[in-house]
Amino acid sequence: AQSVAQPEDQVNVAEGNPLTVKCTYSVSGNPYLFWYVQYPNRGLQFLLKYITGDNLVKGSYGFEAEFNKSQTSFHLKKPSALVSDSALYFCAVSYNFNKFYFGSGTKLNVKP
Amino acid sequence: NAGVTQTPKFQVLKTGQSMTLQCAQDMNHNSMYWYRQDPGMGLRLIYYSASEGTTDKGEVPNGYNVSRLNKREFSLRLESAAPSQTSVYFCASSEDPWDGGYEQYFGPGTRLTVT
Repeated sequence: AQSVAQPEDQVNVAEGNPLTVKCTYSVSGNPYLFWYVQYPNRGLQFLLKYITGDNLVKGSYGFEAEFNKSQTSFHLKKPSALVSDSALYFCAVSYNFNKFYFGSGTKLNVKP
Repeated sequence: NAGVTQTPKFQVLKTGQSMTLQCAQDMNHNSMYWYRQDPGMGLRLIYYSASEGTTDKGEVPNGYNVSRLNKREFSLRLESAAPSQTSVYFCASSEDPWDGGYEQYFGPGTRLTVT
């Protein structure tokens, strides 16, 4: 089955420390990979995507992610976390045009 | 430029009632989507429309119907609401991948409770 997994329900990090939010996907063809962020009572906002090309992708608000084909992973990273980064983060994958599969989400808590 | 708009924001229905959720986008995107979000399950695709006049089923289409009225509007209809359809519903739109886009733009959501 085509799917994406976010193994951590919650990630806690201190402000100023690096953060990583993990995502792995099932292998089936060439994936398009995405990260979205959701603030309370809001819709999802696009952060970054991997379509093709450079495995290291840079996105909004200082976030980046690395596509690792051998490990089928697309972990979200940021060198220095901010309290305002606290939110719910979703990884998504698409193999066939228009069908997207979302992970269950990871709640990021950044403490002052 | 309003992006993706959804109405209503909140709705309470009794079991068996019907309703239509409205969605519109002003970004001239070909593709539009309906998702439901349930705690611990992420977003699940209900239906999508790759272009005006076409619709296709996603992961969880049972109990729902959709209409792509024109390029801007994509509505979701619950013909006979059930408590299992209590959820937050999101509409989204995207460019085609060959146009350099493909990321989705989401509306603010509709919170639906079925009692």
